Amino acid sequence: GAGVSQTPSNKVTEKGKYVELRCDPISGHTALYWYRQSLGQGPEFLIYFQGTGAADDSGLPNDRFFAVRPEGSVSTLKIQRTERGDSAVYLCASAPGPSSTEAFFGQGTRLTVV
Amino acid sequence: GENVEQHPSTLSVQEGDSAVIKCTYSDSASNYFPWYKQELGKRPQLIIDIRSNVGEKKDQRIAVTLNKTAKHFSLHITETQPEDSAVYFCAALDSIYNQGGKLIFGQGTELSVKP
Repeated sequence: GAGVSQTPSNKVTEKGKYVELRCDPISGHTALYWYRQSLGQGPEFLIYFQGTGAADDSGLPNDRFFAVRPEGSVSTLKIQRTERGDSAVYLCASAPGPSSTEAFFGQGTRLTVV
Repeated sequence: GENVEQHPSTLSVQEGDSAVIKCTYSDSASNYFPWYKQELGKRPQLIIDIRSNVGEKKDQRIAVTLNKTAKHFSLHITETQPEDSAVYFCAALDSIYNQGGKLIFGQGTELSVKP
């Protein structure tokens, strides 16, 4: 595709439910990042994939958060037992490769936990 | 790990004036420093970046300066226009053995350009 695509654009869920957020990176980009952005804050790093493997998952806040990228393209961020504090915009970004530094962001998924 | 501090949090200027936003970083190994512009409800977009082997880079009305010794870098916007109004984020690359890595972002500066 032309850019990084994220679905859904908005997600409202009840506290305690499970959600999946999808990221479709730019075709051919091997690096993929997930960030979380709360209102009035900068993007906060969650996890970084190089190909299929998670090169750095140090930003995942706890074990309720998990992300996969089974075929090295589309990635899914999974949140179990959602809490109101998980409400934020979840941003995905991709970059051409490990030595590439410019990251292209998607529009984000606005998650609201009620 | 890397920590990035950004100031000011809000900045209001008159159209035509200059705007300067400053960031400091903690990890001397960081070697890439991009600036992103984010308009309300939209994705962050890269506007300029600088690598640690240069001290300054300019692109039309936008320039970035880097002081590696002091570990700070700044964004300069000259001849500001109302369409420059947005939130600006600085970032530093927390590199893993030069094999890519995560961008650590500052807290953002909300720039308002008044006509």
